[in-house]
Amino acid sequence: GQQVMQIPQYQHVQEGEDFTTYCNSSTTLSNIQWYKQRPGGHPVFLIQLVKSGEVKKQKRLTFQFGEAKKNSSLHITATQTTDVGTYFCSNRDDKIIFGKGTRLHILP
Amino acid sequence: KAGVTQTPRYLIKTRGQQVTLSCSPISGHRSVSWYQQTPGQGLQFLFEYFSETQRNKGNFPGRFSGRQFSNSRSEMNVSTLELGDSALYLCASSNTGGSGKLFFGSGTQLSVL
Repeated sequence: GQQVMQIPQYQHVQEGEDFTTYCNSSTTLSNIQWYKQRPGGHPVFLIQLVKSGEVKKQKRLTFQFGEAKKNSSLHITATQTTDVGTYFCSNRDDKIIFGKGTRLHILP
Repeated sequence: KAGVTQTPRYLIKTRGQQVTLSCSPISGHRSVSWYQQTPGQGLQFLFEYFSETQRNKGNFPGRFSGRQFSNSRSEMNVSTLELGDSALYLCASSNTGGSGKLFFGSGTQLSVL
């Protein structure tokens, strides 16, 4: 069945460094959604991308959808301790598929 | 507006028992979907209901079932529990059955002993 592969699984960065997580699919995706789950919390919607090559920004977060709509990325500039958590990409179509997530640790 | 409410918050069961989890979506949302979250497998889609009809189903055995009521509240049932069913069960609601964003509840932490 359709899958979205997310890398890396874990990422440790110094506070102030940048962070990027990638989401890849072998098939074309109709859309990509990104969620953030804080430790002990539940996933919270961040953004949805639907157009080929789409780029959206939310303050220090930049989201991209690939030209072929088979990959996406989330980039955080100058990480802060509040960015700690697991970031999931998701495709919502006939079924709802989530990547396994990238867990971000911030070192003070 | 109240968020998605899941009950109970924690549950301990023994192998072979069955369990029913409840999810009340955000008022006005007609879509409810369920997920199993474990450390090793991430978020896995169980099923989605829209207007009392199951729209989609993930790759879980028939022991996992669900339903949705006319007020959009949903229940999930797991019969003949196995140790491997221990997980956080999350439900999410959406105001559309298509590609709308998901609003998650806090989940039910199920432990099977």
